[in-house]
Amino acid sequence: EPEVTQTPSHQVTQMGQEVILRCVPISNHLYFYWYRQILGQKVEFLVSFYNNEISEKSEIFDDQFSVERPDGSNFTLKIRSTKLEDSAMYFCASTTTSGDTDTQYFGPGTRLTVL
Amino acid sequence: AQSVSQHNHHVILSEAASLELGCNYSYGGTVNLFWYVQYPGQHLQLLLKYFSGDPLVKGIKGFEAEFIKSKFSFNLRKPSVQWSDTAEYFCAVNANNAGNMLTFGGGTRLMVKP
Repeated sequence: EPEVTQTPSHQVTQMGQEVILRCVPISNHLYFYWYRQILGQKVEFLVSFYNNEISEKSEIFDDQFSVERPDGSNFTLKIRSTKLEDSAMYFCASTTTSGDTDTQYFGPGTRLTVL
Repeated sequence: AQSVSQHNHHVILSEAASLELGCNYSYGGTVNLFWYVQYPGQHLQLLLKYFSGDPLVKGIKGFEAEFIKSKFSFNLRKPSVQWSDTAEYFCAVNANNAGNMLTFGGGTRLMVKP
């Protein structure tokens, strides 16, 4: 069964550094998402992406964040200058279409630790 | 803005016990409802979803959930749990006027004792 994959599984960085989290969505999917979960808190929506542009974004997704689909398979989340409070588990998800009934398939997550 | 509440943060059951996990949401319009499960060390997987029709939805591994619109609830049930059901369970809502974003509850960690 096709799966969403994410690399790395764990990223440790210094505050102020840039990080790029990588996702490979399921191959025939067209809509891509990033969510995050700070330890002990809820999973929160960050951004959705379709046709090479952002469809929606939350208040969390400020100018420090950006997303890109640099090629036909990868979907990346960049944090320009990491802060301590960016430490969280970051999940990528994808769906085939934007239909209301579509299931979002999630990757295993990248644990980001900012020191 | 919509929100989702899962009242049980931790549940411990013995094998063969019945399970009911609560999920309530706050949003007055039409919603799509989901339960996801995360087994230890694995990614979020869809257990079941409701978007219209029969409010009693059956999912994988013997799970079911009932949408009660008047109570804004979508509780997850299983008549007889197994040790392999040990996992974290997340309720999520997509409001039809909120694009594709999912709003998650805080999760319920279930431990089933053999």
